[in-house]
Amino acid sequence: ELKVEQNPLFLSMQEGKNYTIYCNYSTTSDRLYWYRQDPGKSLESLFVLLSNGAVKQEGRLMASLDTKARLSTLHITAAVHDLSATYFCAVDMEYGNKLVFGAGTILRVKS
Amino acid sequence: GAVVSQHPSWVICKSGTSVKIECRSLDFQATTMFWYRQFPKQSLMLMATSNEGSKATYEQGVEKDKFLINHASLTLSTLTVTSAHPEDSSFYICSARVPRRTDTQYFGPGTRLTVL
Repeated sequence: ELKVEQNPLFLSMQEGKNYTIYCNYSTTSDRLYWYRQDPGKSLESLFVLLSNGAVKQEGRLMASLDTKARLSTLHITAAVHDLSATYFCAVDMEYGNKLVFGAGTILRVKS
Repeated sequence: GAVVSQHPSWVICKSGTSVKIECRSLDFQATTMFWYRQFPKQSLMLMATSNEGSKATYEQGVEKDKFLINHASLTLSTLTVTSAHPEDSSFYICSARVPRRTDTQYFGPGTRLTVL
């Protein structure tokens, strides 16, 4: 059974600081996704990582995938309050037929 | 971009009643849709995969007689929670996949179900 572990589960950051969220998974997969969820809302797609070594950046967020290590990271640069949300990684188990989500990381950026 | 809608966005019902939630792909045809459940402060769990014109595939531990899924057209899948109980209260989110593309699921806005 695939397990997807995120850490930390809760992250309180000061504005302007950098931090990284980690997503480890237990079985082979070449596809990993990062999503953002605001309270009471559905998921917003952030990044789609489809191969080993994939790196994508959007604004203050950068995601990478190391399929050999079964690890993805979401790096936050110079955090701002608007980044406060819950971030999920999800691993694709069956080529688009099944996503297994991590527990989520609650990010709070303090002024 | 691909848009997925859900209706209703929230519903409150009495215990023992049935509730139907609709998931529509608005600007594309979706041969495959997915239903997820998210309890408060928890992650999303896949409940079932809905394929147009065939029976849904349920994940282990999900009662298919309680959560009826119908995917009668290429743009509509429905989830009916039968004989709902308070423990069924949750946030239900559907997603849809563009045909011939397996790398992206488009998520609906979710339906919050509260069973009294």
